[in-house]
Amino acid sequence: SYVLTQPPSVSVAPGQTATITCGGNHIGGKTVHWYQQNPGQAPVVVVYGDSDRPSGIPDRFSGSNSGNTATLTISRVEVGDEADYYCQVWDSSSDHVVFGGGTKLTVL
Amino acid sequence: EVQLVQSGGGLVQPGGSLRLSCAASGFTVSTNSMSWVRQAPGKGLDWVSMIFNVGDTHYADSVRGRFTISRDNSKNTLYLQMSSLRADDTAVYFCARVQTGYSGFLDYYYMDVWGKGTTVTVSS
Repeated sequence: SYVLTQPPSVSVAPGQTATITCGGNHIGGKTVHWYQQNPGQAPVVVVYGDSDRPSGIPDRFSGSNSGNTATLTISRVEVGDEADYYCQVWDSSSDHVVFGGGTKLTVL
Repeated sequence: EVQLVQSGGGLVQPGGSLRLSCAASGFTVSTNSMSWVRQAPGKGLDWVSMIFNVGDTHYADSVRGRFTISRDNSKNTLYLQMSSLRADDTAVYFCARVQTGYSGFLDYYYMDVWGKGTTVTVSS
């Protein structure tokens, strides 16, 4: 089965740029989506289709995907961005939704 | 307003059964693909099952043969029937609407509307 690998944690100071990676075999050939989840709440999609943002998501959130790594970039990080972030793909070989293990973003 | 209202969680003994419900408003379940995702305490998101708008169903290996996803078009509601429950099925279960896109040669799917989640605890 297809595996997505995320770092367990990323720390960044307010105002700086946070980069969260999602590794997978030839992930550049798949389409990656990113979710933000606050404690006790449902996930919210912040980037879909590798780099598109739903309405209402600040343009500080951006995504890219190439080779074996997809990346979620959060510019000008705010305290309110502190949350867990998950990448997700559709694995057509198994017809399964696959999530990465999640990354806890800490804003110092 | 587009929303999903979940119900049906609770405490169940190992080997028991439970049915989760997810009532949709603001859109039609039957013309959308829908999914269930769970999250064990302190763990990450874990996909459980999906039903496509055309009716095809897919399951995670860990639940295939024990869980059944279905929908009632007249009630605009999605269900997850769970049987032969085990302790490791303990989790918050979320239902979600699935959006479909196309990139390159393949379709892709992501979840754009989520329910608030319902807790399932499997314990004696």
